[in-house]
This record gives sequence, structure tokens and C-alpha cells, in this order.
Amino acid sequence: GIQVEQSPPDLILQEGANSTLRCNFSDSVNNLQWFHQNPWGQLINLFYIPSGTKQNGRLSATTVATERYSLLYISSSQTTDSGVYFCAVATGANNLFFGTGTRLTVIP
Amino acid sequence: NAGVTQTPKFRVLKTGQSMTLLCAQDMNHEYMYWYRQDPGMGLRLIHYSVGEGTTAKGEVPDGYNVSRLKKQNFLLGLESAAPSQTSVYFCASSYSIGTQYFGPGTRLLVL
Repeated sequence: GIQVEQSPPDLILQEGANSTLRCNFSDSVNNLQWFHQNPWGQLINLFYIPSGTKQNGRLSATTVATERYSLLYISSSQTTDSGVYFCAVATGANNLFFGTGTRLTVIP
Repeated sequence: NAGVTQTPKFRVLKTGQSMTLLCAQDMNHEYMYWYRQDPGMGLRLIHYSVGEGTTAKGEVPDGYNVSRLKKQNFLLGLESAAPSQTSVYFCASSYSIGTQYFGPGTRLLVL
């Protein structure tokens, strides 16, 4: 299957700081999603972004499909942003392959 | 509109017991999926379905069976549970190629 690498694996931020999370993938994709898994284990859809740029409040994402990477930007981080951020990609039948995630801790 | 729901939320099994996990979606999605998440890892696809009456194997299908008798439901069965199947199980659905929407998960402990 397709390989998905996320960096950094862990990130600790002071509240109010900005951050960039990266996702590299090994093949062409027709689906790329970013998720936030909160401390209760719930998976929250952030973006469906196989290409281009999207913004939603303090979060934005950019996928450069030709170079096989995606970036998730978090601005003015809040403690509620803590959790694990997953990138997942799919080819063909929309079966998602997940990276191992970036664990974000936001300190007050 | 409940989205994707999963039953049960938590279950404890003894080795060798069987059980069925139920996933239901009310978004009229064609595609449905079952994933498992082990500690410290991302999700891995077990089985999926691209329409009522169809099923296919994913990345880690061994030890599981599935059925999609109704469009809105996708069942995951464990015939003889093993400790290695201790995990959190997530169901998801989508129209086709596009955003997958995930349920809240089922925590399974096999002793």
C-alpha cells in the first residue's frame, strides 16, 4: 500500500503559538483527509484536500499533489487543539491509509 | 441526522468467543468501511463495501468477516476472538471517492 509519513511525531506549544504539520505520501492520491483525534478518541474531520488550499477558521491546509505532500497550519493554538492529528490518503477505491500521526500538546 | 453510529461502545470478550459489531449510517452513503486502531498507531482498513451486497478485503482482513445486507448497515464479525484483536474499531462511510465520515468507535478487549 501507499506509504504515509507525518512529521513531527510530537509537538509541544505554548497557547497562542502557530504550528505547521507535514504529511508526505508515496504515490498519486485521489483522496487526502486531515483528522483531529481528541483525547476521548473521537475522529474529527478537518479537511478533505486532495489538492489545493482550504481554510477553516484558525486552521488551513495545503496539498501539493505533484510533489506528494500536504501541510496543516494551526494558528493561535488553544488548549482544545491538543490531541493527535492524522493525515490519511487513498488511491483507487477510496481506502484510506493513515500516517502514524502528530501528537500536539498545547500548554496554557 | 445521526451520521455514523456504532454499537456497542465497549465490549469485553474471552478468547474464542464470537461477536458482531454494528455500524449504521443515515446519509445514504454507498461506501462503508471498517478500520482498527491499535495504541500509538493510525487506523488500518479491515474490510470495506462499495454498495449493498458487496464486500472486499482491506489491509488487515484476517480473523474478521463482514456483511452488507442493507445499504445503511455494515456488520463486522469476529468468529473466534483472539487477544491480538484487542483494539478500537471505527466504522466510516462515504458517497464514493471523497470525504469519509467516521463513527465514535468501539473499544474491544479480548482476554
